[in-house]
Amino acid sequence: DIQMTQSPSSLSASIGGRVTITCRASQNINTYLNWYQQKPGKAPKLLIYDASNLQSGVPSRFSGGGSGTDFTLTISSLQPEDFATYYCQQSHIKRTFGQGTRLEIK
Amino acid sequence: EVQLVETGGGLIQPGGSLRLSCAASGLTVSSNYMSWVRQAVGRGLEWVSIIYSGGSTYYADSLKGRFTISRDNSENTLYLQLNNLRVEDTAIYYCARVIVMTGSDAFDIWGQGTLVTVSS
Repeated sequence: DIQMTQSPSSLSASIGGRVTITCRASQNINTYLNWYQQKPGKAPKLLIYDASNLQSGVPSRFSGGGSGTDFTLTISSLQPEDFATYYCQQSHIKRTFGQGTRLEIK
Repeated sequence: EVQLVETGGGLIQPGGSLRLSCAASGLTVSSNYMSWVRQAVGRGLEWVSIIYSGGSTYYADSLKGRFTISRDNSENTLYLQLNNLRVEDTAIYYCARVIVMTGSDAFDIWGQGTLVTVSS
């Protein structure tokens, strides 16, 4: 199985700030990497697909990058609605999620 | 409006079986890749299984053959048969449509989930 490791597991930031979440794959997954946002009691929401492509309707303050084994999700100009848990997920071989990163308000 | 609605969850004893359903509207299950993802309460997401439009199926290795994904084209419904359930299978089970791009795919439409509780 391909293992996905996110860092940090949690972080706090201020409204208007910028954060970057990292996701590392245990082997090369090209750009077969997606990012999701999940709020308490809700289903996940697709933000970024294929490492860097913004899903329709997702604000442009979200951006993704990387290829191979190392990937990033960056949120610039944090808004109150962005405080949630974020997951990366690979689709290269079967499917695997990272353990999640909880983003809290500072 | 595209919608996925899961049903079939509940309280089940260890060793028991359960069948989850995911009724789709606004999309055709048989024409799409469809998947199941679960989440233990307070924990992260865990991919469970996928069925391709051509009928091929794949499972997370950790399930050890206890779960079976299927679909009923006439009912436009996705299923997940859960057998020999364990306490650690307790989770919210989500169904999701898998959108396919060039060389990759992602879960773009999700249901609200159904809770399975395995306990004696």
